[in-house]
Amino acid sequence: DTGVSQNPRHKITKRGQNVTFRCDPISEHNRLYWYRQTLGQGPEFLTYFQNEAQLEKSRLLSDRFSAERPKGSFSTLEIQRTEQGDSAMYLCASSLIGGPNYGYTFGSGTRLTVV
Amino acid sequence: TQLLEQSPQFLSIQEGENLTVYCNSSSVFSSLQWYRQEPGEGPVLLVTVVTGGEVKKLKRLTFQFGDARKDSSLHITAAQPGDTGLYLCAVIMNYGGSQGNLIFGKGTKLSVKP
Repeated sequence: DTGVSQNPRHKITKRGQNVTFRCDPISEHNRLYWYRQTLGQGPEFLTYFQNEAQLEKSRLLSDRFSAERPKGSFSTLEIQRTEQGDSAMYLCASSLIGGPNYGYTFGSGTRLTVV
Repeated sequence: TQLLEQSPQFLSIQEGENLTVYCNSSSVFSSLQWYRQEPGEGPVLLVTVVTGGEVKKLKRLTFQFGDARKDSSLHITAAQPGDTGLYLCAVIMNYGGSQGNLIFGKGTKLSVKP
């Protein structure tokens, strides 16, 4: 098992462009989560999926953000019309459904810089 | 308002010193997790505490969950440069009777100088 994989690791884009990030979770994990982390802050929850169903979205997830998890495997997070305030580390995590002893495994993140 | 308050925000110490960092809330939680994050990487789970008053040890790290399950502490004995990183506490929100997403504190950034 190679853990949670995120691509790309780094992305630099011009303001107004669209970007898409990919997350491949641990294969047997049915939950997949997206977080955003800015410098000096803890990760902030964006959204999560159970299999292919998107169960919860944070108010941070504006209408420029969309996430999908087709077939309950990998997930994509798209940001349309990027703004400088979108510059952050975007983290993906996966877990099994269960109690608190079922750990969350995070990927290494995608660092987005909007110029 | 922040659900989880972590203190101190920054901590810079010499190798061999002991330290304690705190995670506090006014809410009661069924469990709490601690993560360590290194620059450019995702958080890595260190421990989950579920019982009020519980103490767990991981080598030189000691984690305690408050009796009222509102707070937690992480104590590091004889800190080493390899302990450098961002220490995050997090709680699991419930969704439909099972675990949902994690909510994190802002973290304590620890620097251990040789």
